[in-house]
Amino acid sequence: AQTVTQSQPEMSVQEAETVTLSCTYDTSENNYYLFWYKQPPSRQMILVIRQEAYKQQNATENRFSVNFQKAAKSFSLKISDSQLGDTAMYFCAFMKLGGGNQFYFGTGTSLTVIP
Amino acid sequence: DSGVTQTPKHLITATGQRVTLRCSPRSGDLSVYWYQQSLDQGLQFLIQYYNGEERAKGNILERFSAQQFPDLHSELNLSSLELGDSALYFCASSGGGGASNQPQHFGDGTRLSIL
Repeated sequence: AQTVTQSQPEMSVQEAETVTLSCTYDTSENNYYLFWYKQPPSRQMILVIRQEAYKQQNATENRFSVNFQKAAKSFSLKISDSQLGDTAMYFCAFMKLGGGNQFYFGTGTSLTVIP
Repeated sequence: DSGVTQTPKHLITATGQRVTLRCSPRSGDLSVYWYQQSLDQGLQFLIQYYNGEERAKGNILERFSAQQFPDLHSELNLSSLELGDSALYFCASSGGGGASNQPQHFGDGTRLSIL
């Protein structure tokens, strides 16, 4: 079975600073995808970034980037130049390929950006 | 706009009652997933359907059931409701064109309140 662990229940960062959210996972699969989703106070679930396990290059989406360490089974999210609108709950998710592509979510990290 | 439509947005009912939540996936998506998110909790995977058939089952209670119809919309039926069933219920879809490497796109959720 796959498990996803987010060990930081809450974090805060000053506006314009950089913050890194941690995520580790446990799997015996070799082909999988990893995602970060953002859930703002509106409770919508918004895809932030994704990483294919077979790619060594870390994914980047504007101010969001990941540090993917496959051997360590680590998938952290870095938010640069933090903005007030980044205040949200962030969920790390693992998707194995095949067998229904079931997603496994971490318990989330609540990020507050301080003005 | 994720393209996933959930109705109703809010639902208030009493214990012991039965409700039906509806989800229309993004155009072309074959998979539908249901999640439960209780207050300040992470996402609990309930069930997945792919092209009309049940594909994966999570922590879904026996009082809950779901189905996916030929037009690919899905319904989640909750019966004998209890106070603890109060939660935000998300539907997500993926797999447009049968592709297996797509992220899930979430609807805005149905907020269920049991009085």
